[in-house]
Amino acid sequence: GIQVEQSPPDLILQEGANSTLRCNFSDSVNNLQWFHQNPWGQLINLFYIPSGTKQNGRLSATTVATERYSLLYISSSQTTDSGVYFCAGNSGYALNFGKGTSLLVTP
Amino acid sequence: DTGVSQDPRHKITKRGQNVTFRCDPISEHNRLYWYRQTLGQGPEFLTYFQNEAQLEKSRLLSDRFSAERPKGSFSTLEIQRTEQGDSAMYLCASSHDNEQFFGPGTRLTVL
Repeated sequence: GIQVEQSPPDLILQEGANSTLRCNFSDSVNNLQWFHQNPWGQLINLFYIPSGTKQNGRLSATTVATERYSLLYISSSQTTDSGVYFCAGNSGYALNFGKGTSLLVTP
Repeated sequence: DTGVSQDPRHKITKRGQNVTFRCDPISEHNRLYWYRQTLGQGPEFLTYFQNEAQLEKSRLLSDRFSAERPKGSFSTLEIQRTEQGDSAMYLCASSHDNEQFFGPGTRLTVL
C-alpha cells in the first residue's frame, strides 16, 4: 500500500503562532484528506484536497500532486487546535494514514 | 445533518468472548469502511462495502473477524474469540464519493 510520512511528529506552539504540517506520499493518490482527531478519538474532516489549495478560516491546505506531498497551515493557533492531525490518501478504496502530528498549543 | 454513528462507544470484554459492533452510515452513503486504530498510530483499513457487497478486505482482517452489511445500510463487525491484541479503537466511515466521514468509534478493551 501507499506509505504516508508526516512531519513533524510532535509540535508545541504558543498561542498565536503559525505552523506548517507536511505529508509525503510514496505514490500518487487520487484522494487526499486532512483530519483533526479530538481527545475523544473522533476524526474531524478538515480538507478534502487531492490537488490545489483550499482555505477554511485559520486553516489552509495545499497539495502538489505531481510531487506527492501536501501541507496544512495553521495560522494564529489557539489552544483548541491541540490534538493529533492526520493526513490520509488512497489510490483505491482504503485510506492510508500517516502516524500523525501531535500538536500542543499552550496559552 | 446526522453523521456516522457507532454503537457501543466503549466495550470491555474478557479474552475469548465474542463482540459485535454496529455502524450506521450517513444516509444515502453507499460506501462503508471499517478501520482499526491502536495507540500512537493512524487508523488502518480493515474492510470496504459498496452497498451490501464486501469488495475489499485487508490482511489485518483475520478469520476471527467478520463484517456484514446485509441491506446496504448499517454494518456490523464481529470479533470472535477476542485476544488482548484486539484492544483498539474501531472506526467506521462512510462516503458518497471519495471523501470519507468517520464515526466516533468503538473503543474495545480485552482483559
